[in-house]
Amino acid sequence: NAGVTQTPKFQVLKTGQSMTLQCAQDMNHEYMSWYRQDPGMGLRLIHYSVGAGITDQGEVPNGYNVSRSTTEDFPLRLLSAAPSQTSVYFCASSYNRGRYGYTFGSGTRLTVV
Amino acid sequence: DAKTTQPPSMDCAEGRAANLPCNHSTISGNEYVYWYRQIHSQGPQYIIHGLKNNETNEMASLIITEDRKSSTLILPHATLRDTAVYYCIVRVVSYDKVIFGPGTSLSVIP
Repeated sequence: NAGVTQTPKFQVLKTGQSMTLQCAQDMNHEYMSWYRQDPGMGLRLIHYSVGAGITDQGEVPNGYNVSRSTTEDFPLRLLSAAPSQTSVYFCASSYNRGRYGYTFGSGTRLTVV
Repeated sequence: DAKTTQPPSMDCAEGRAANLPCNHSTISGNEYVYWYRQIHSQGPQYIIHGLKNNETNEMASLIITEDRKSSTLILPHATLRDTAVYYCIVRVVSYDKVIFGPGTSLSVIP
């Protein structure tokens, strides 16, 4: 039982490049979400999903795409990276709509130069 | 979701109880109080949650006032490993857009 696994742990991109941040969970959680965290700030919700085939926008969705084709995986795509997307990205999952709390991954540290 | 207010930082002596306050004066009757913590850039960790009764688990205790407008997270015997940012969140379970504010940065001092 690995919990929530995020890859890669670190990434440097050039402005305009695209990439996908991977998130996988092995707990059969129906709910998954992506947050970003900037220095000294709390976590801001980017996108979330309440089940396979269902996604919705959070607070700061612009510049990011998601899809949920399986229960286990919830990748986050940056189509054209910008320096403003330099941040730490966390993926979270839960069952029962988070009634018993979310489980977070260890994060992906992304730098866009 | 109701807004919460937490002090930006607190200190606690090692071995003493750490009492972290949270104000949620606009909380609705169906909103739960959740606490998470984040240790040095790791992913946040769920600690405890409650509706109106006090709750205790192996990590902490949660005290919610009778009017539910505020709560306190208690770490009974703080250790250096409890140094972290603690987030208080109120939410309806069915509401999926969970927002984390800046939280309280707790420093446990030897």
